[in-house]
Amino acid sequence: KAGVTQTPRYLIKTRGQQVTLSCSPISGHRSVSWYQQTPGQGLQFLFEYFSETQRNKGNFPGRFSGRQFSNSRSEMNVSTLELGDSALYLCASSLDEGEQFFGPGTRLTVL
Amino acid sequence: AQKVTQAQTEISVVEKEDVTLDCVYETRDTTYYLFWYKQPPSGELVFLIRRNSFDEQNEISGRYSWNFQKSTSSFNFTITASQVVDSAVYFCALSGRLTGGGNKLTFGTGTQLKVEL
Repeated sequence: KAGVTQTPRYLIKTRGQQVTLSCSPISGHRSVSWYQQTPGQGLQFLFEYFSETQRNKGNFPGRFSGRQFSNSRSEMNVSTLELGDSALYLCASSLDEGEQFFGPGTRLTVL
Repeated sequence: AQKVTQAQTEISVVEKEDVTLDCVYETRDTTYYLFWYKQPPSGELVFLIRRNSFDEQNEISGRYSWNFQKSTSSFNFTITASQVVDSAVYFCALSGRLTGGGNKLTFGTGTQLKVEL
């Protein structure tokens, strides 16, 4: 069974731009969660989608948004990028509630 | 609010030594789940174990073992006979019961384990 895949793996953007990251969950998994990892703040929960609906949300500004498609694939978007958005963005999938399996992450650098 | 504390920032051991990674958590939920993940230099978080709050039985999986003690709010992880391949950052995480269900992990700050020859 293929694991969680994330694209792209690396991304360089400049301040003010927007970016879209993609996550394909493990086949059959309907829950997709997104996390941000930075040296200063550690691993922080962004949001979770389940059956195309946002089910839970972390404490991030509205510049961070996401969506989930009918095939459970998910995208997250960050608008008006700031230097502080530079991070490793990790996506995790699970059947519903339970073990979350993570993808390799997308490393975003904002210049 | 939920909180996970991993007081050990970095641990260095020599191969074949046993090592214990500490995890202390705080939650008001009566039902919750505890996790351990391994993050090698590649960056991907590798799932190791999930434990629910009603199951305090210790678990062993090969060289890995976990000790869950509700009385002290701790969920410690021991690697027996460590190997160089165990070098990684290890995260402890907590997920409580959410209104509407779902997943939301609260992570500790991680413990960097270095295993040297």
